[in-house]
Amino acid sequence: AQKVTQAQTEISVVEKEDVTLDCVYETRDTTYYLFWYKQPPSGELVFLIRRNSFDEQNEISGRYSWNFQKSTSSFNFTITASQVVDSAVYFCALSGPWNGGSQGNLIFGKGTKLSVKP
Amino acid sequence: EAGVTQFPSHSVIEKGQTVTLRCDPISGHDNLYWYRRVMGKEIKFLLHFVKESKQDESGMPNNRFLAERTGGTYSTLKVQPAELEDSGVYFCASSQEEVAGVDGYTFGSGTRLTVV
Repeated sequence: AQKVTQAQTEISVVEKEDVTLDCVYETRDTTYYLFWYKQPPSGELVFLIRRNSFDEQNEISGRYSWNFQKSTSSFNFTITASQVVDSAVYFCALSGPWNGGSQGNLIFGKGTKLSVKP
Repeated sequence: EAGVTQFPSHSVIEKGQTVTLRCDPISGHDNLYWYRRVMGKEIKFLLHFVKESKQDESGMPNNRFLAERTGGTYSTLKVQPAELEDSGVYFCASSQEEVAGVDGYTFGSGTRLTVV
């Protein structure tokens, strides 16, 4: 069965600190996609990144970076020099492949609530 | 471009009543998904429409939940009769591709349903 584990329920940091949000996934599929979403206080889920299972190259986007390691089934998310506006709940998610009844639906972790204090 | 819109943003109803949630996807998105987050739990998949057809409804909890997507545009999710355990946040998402492309799925802000 597919599963996503975000072991950190809440993290609190002081502004300008670096912070890493962990995500570990389980799947038997060889083709899959991993996602990170941000949920700010306004409630919507904001897409941050999608990574497919054949692309282990790390990604950097401004202060955000993602480390995908198939050997450990992890897809960790690092925020460098955190800011108060980064305060939100962050969700890691796994998508199934194109076949069967799991076409495109997402399996989410429980989320990590990040609080960045000034 | 307008995003995914959900109505209402909040709803408080009594046990046994009926509630209908609405989702307007991004125009042109054939794929529409419903998800639910019960307090303290993961966000869980409910069902997936491709245009007006139900592609996958394996996540629907029971027959008190009925989803429709008339004409392949907006979708409604009706809960009848509502039970206490139905309380949570109901999210809708849409995408052009079945497995969301580089832009991911676009989610709405959710409807917070409270059954008392």
